[in-house]
Amino acid sequence: QVQLQESGPGLVKPSETLSLTCAVSGYSISSGYLWGWIRQPPGKGLEWIVSIYYSGSTNYNPSLQSRVSMSLDTSRNQFSLTVRSVTATDTAVYYCVRLESSGYFAYWGQGTLVIVSS
Amino acid sequence: QSVLTQPPSVSEAPGQRVTISCTGSGSNIGAGYDVHWYQHLPGTAPKLLIYDNTNRPSGVPDRFSGSKSGTSASLAITGLQAEDEADYYCQSYDSSLSAWVFGGGTKLTV
Repeated sequence: QVQLQESGPGLVKPSETLSLTCAVSGYSISSGYLWGWIRQPPGKGLEWIVSIYYSGSTNYNPSLQSRVSMSLDTSRNQFSLTVRSVTATDTAVYYCVRLESSGYFAYWGQGTLVIVSS
Repeated sequence: QSVLTQPPSVSEAPGQRVTISCTGSGSNIGAGYDVHWYQHLPGTAPKLLIYDNTNRPSGVPDRFSGSKSGTSASLAITGLQAEDEADYYCQSYDSSLSAWVFGGGTKLTV
């Protein structure tokens, strides 16, 4: 059974960098599929942020591309998200996900709330 | 403003049937990209409900069904139960944005 678990600080100051990690169990991320991040601001809908193929090829949400990066750590079977120069609008529950080949998100982490505030 | 448009809310009595629409355009649903549906209960991770327009993952009751036509898709739920109260999201891919996109979500009240 594939399981994903997010970790990282729950509070980040404005203008600083948000960093999250997703630990994967039950599947080797170097074996295939796309891995990614989705967020949900309070009271709003879901927003896809970024996805990375197991080979390292990355796709970004155009609205966030300039501030976002993502990487794989195959030795630890985990991947990470970095969002630079955060503002209050980056406050959200962040989910790590596995994206299937036909474009749906079959596996989700439980989500982690990140608040941007001084 | 979401790329895929859903009604903000729907309401129906227990035991009845409800449909939730998802309207896109020629660069996403109309371009042939599949539509997927998720059920989201507060405080939990979204759950895949329908994939590839009409398919149910193992464990999803057959009360849930999906359809797609032209630039739109729909989720139907029959025999409504109180436990179906949740937010529902459609999702597809948009070629003009080169991005996976979601609808704004629909809150179902039973």
